[in-house]
Amino acid sequence: GAGVSQSPSNKVTEKGKDVELRCDPISGHTALYWYRQRLGQGLEFLIYFQGNSAPDKSGLPSDRFSAERTGESVSTLTIQRTQQEDSAVYLCASSPWVAPGQFFGPGTRLTVL
Amino acid sequence: SQQGEEDPQALSIQEGENATMNCSYKTSINNLQWYRQNSGRGLVHLILIRSNEREKHSGRLRVTLDTSKKSSSLLITASRAADTASYFCATDYNQGGKLIFGQGTELSVKP
Repeated sequence: GAGVSQSPSNKVTEKGKDVELRCDPISGHTALYWYRQRLGQGLEFLIYFQGNSAPDKSGLPSDRFSAERTGESVSTLTIQRTQQEDSAVYLCASSPWVAPGQFFGPGTRLTVL
Repeated sequence: SQQGEEDPQALSIQEGENATMNCSYKTSINNLQWYRQNSGRGLVHLILIRSNEREKHSGRLRVTLDTSKKSSSLLITASRAADTASYFCATDYNQGGKLIFGQGTELSVKP
């Protein structure tokens, strides 16, 4: 596709369950970012992948959060033992290395009951 | 926190009026970017201004940057109902692409 895609678009889960969120960046974009946005808030940086470099994990809020990226393609954000405060929209973005300005996916709305 | 602050939090204007949103940040930056978000989902990149630039235009958008005051403003001229959205500033501190977002301004343009 032409843009960043994310799946699922909505996810409802029970407290304590694990969830996986997927992001497919724009082809050729070497940088990929995950953000979290709580209702009515700005975006919180979570993690950043750039090519084969070690990811910048400085924004991950706890060890329940992890993310992987396969080469320069798809990325998966995993939240283990979900808590109600994890409820938010999780946004993925990608960018070419040489051009700042990020292209965002539509997000996954996660609701933890 | 390095997060920027934006004001106003909400702005309501009539179609045809100009809308001005402000953003302040805390440390030196490489560039500052403005994004638009409709209905709480994906963001769209609007405009980027580098730390050595003071003003930039794109269509009906005008962005200014004052690095001495660590602030930026976004002006939307001749607003339209379709401009209704949330607008966020984001700062790039380390050229690594990691952005720190402000809390956003919710703009409502009434027809």
